[in-house]
Amino acid sequence: TAGITQAPTSQILAAGRSMTLRCTQDMRHNAMYWYRQDLGLGLRLIHYSNTAGTTGKGEVPDGYSVSRANTDDFPLTLASAVPSQTSVYFCASSAGQPNSPLHFGNGTRLTVT
Amino acid sequence: AQSVTQPDIHITVSEGASLELRCNYSYGATPYLFWYVQSPGQGLQLLLKYFSGDTLVQGIKGFEAEFKRSQSSFNLRKPSVHWSDAAEYFCAVGAGDSWGKFQFGAGTQVVVTP
Repeated sequence: TAGITQAPTSQILAAGRSMTLRCTQDMRHNAMYWYRQDLGLGLRLIHYSNTAGTTGKGEVPDGYSVSRANTDDFPLTLASAVPSQTSVYFCASSAGQPNSPLHFGNGTRLTVT
Repeated sequence: AQSVTQPDIHITVSEGASLELRCNYSYGATPYLFWYVQSPGQGLQLLLKYFSGDTLVQGIKGFEAEFKRSQSSFNLRKPSVHWSDAAEYFCAVGAGDSWGKFQFGAGTQVVVTP
């Protein structure tokens, strides 16, 4: 089934450790996004990429980095995790037009202890 | 910058009853508006979207939404809810000058009782 694959599904991470959340799409969408979901706050954009080779900062980028080496993959890296990064992380993609809806993966639940 | 408000954090509705979820947005021009649904442990699924034309839009699962520019609202409705409609619902707004960077509301949790 075409869509977005995120890995891992869940992870417990010690504070100060690094981690990369993986995201792969097979829809050939130009644009990809990382959101975090926290109770009462909805989804907040961390980073985005409009096309391979370019990335941009969203609403809450601090402590996170991304890369977009090709169209399909958009990994999110936490260089040194902190407890406030405990959240559910969603990767999404879109065709890249203003009215293009987002297609979401099933999320990664990350707990930083 | 655009913003979205969902005034109701939690709604309980009886199966078979009607449902309306409120969404208010703030944006200077005509926004691109979306409703998504999230079932437990899942990602968000698009229910419907509006960006121009008829202000009453139909979506999947029997949902519809009406864009009212004068009220800056995009409320979601369903005439008769089913137990499977229990989920969290998110309104989102996108803009032509910041395309792809959507602003989401905080969500409304819908509980369906027998």
